[in-house]
Amino acid sequence: QQQVKQSPQSLIVQKGGIPIINCAYENTAFDYFPWYQQFPGKGPALLIAIRPDVSEKKEGRFTISFNKSAKQFSLHIMDSQPGDSATYFCAAREITSGSRLTFGEGTQLTVNP
Amino acid sequence: SAVISQKPSRDICQRGTSLTIQCQVDSQVTMMFWYRQQPGQSLTLIATANQGSEATYESGFVIDKFPISRPNLTFSTLTVSNMSPEDSSIYLCSVRNYEQYFGPGTRLTVT
Repeated sequence: QQQVKQSPQSLIVQKGGIPIINCAYENTAFDYFPWYQQFPGKGPALLIAIRPDVSEKKEGRFTISFNKSAKQFSLHIMDSQPGDSATYFCAAREITSGSRLTFGEGTQLTVNP
Repeated sequence: SAVISQKPSRDICQRGTSLTIQCQVDSQVTMMFWYRQQPGQSLTLIATANQGSEATYESGFVIDKFPISRPNLTFSTLTVSNMSPEDSSIYLCSVRNYEQYFGPGTRLTVT
């Protein structure tokens, strides 16, 4: 059972655009929502994370928006660059299961020059 | 953040053999995990490696197929036993104190 739904599956933007990746969840026990960036042949790298008591978090060009009532969160990449081309995964952690992370299906982002 | 290394980085193995993947962290961590990632797919948790006790396996994964050791707070191994082509995948070590980090992965091809 997929507990974190991620969309879109793929996304193409022009340099300078603002790609937005969305995730939705059902499990209200989730209390931690990280995003990972993965380049081909590499392991996923932690990009940014948010807790449900915060509606927005910014780190550099990356912003997470969180809507607790709608059980949705999204990643925005400001002034996107070709070097941002990668696969992005959202994830969520369950309180009761300790540290188990549930991942979304991933979004393959391409930023054209 | 933790620095995680995995050995080997890749391997090609014959059907029916076993491969042990090592994961080394540069600092003590509370929790260690093993994931599998099929090409173009998301990450699937295989098990949580518990120090000094048996690993906790997720549904669909069993100890006989994926034995795991964790002798201390910085090291763990995952063995893929009696391999078949369906085991071809990327295997990732992951660690957590608070934030969770991933190693570079081991790309396994079974022929």
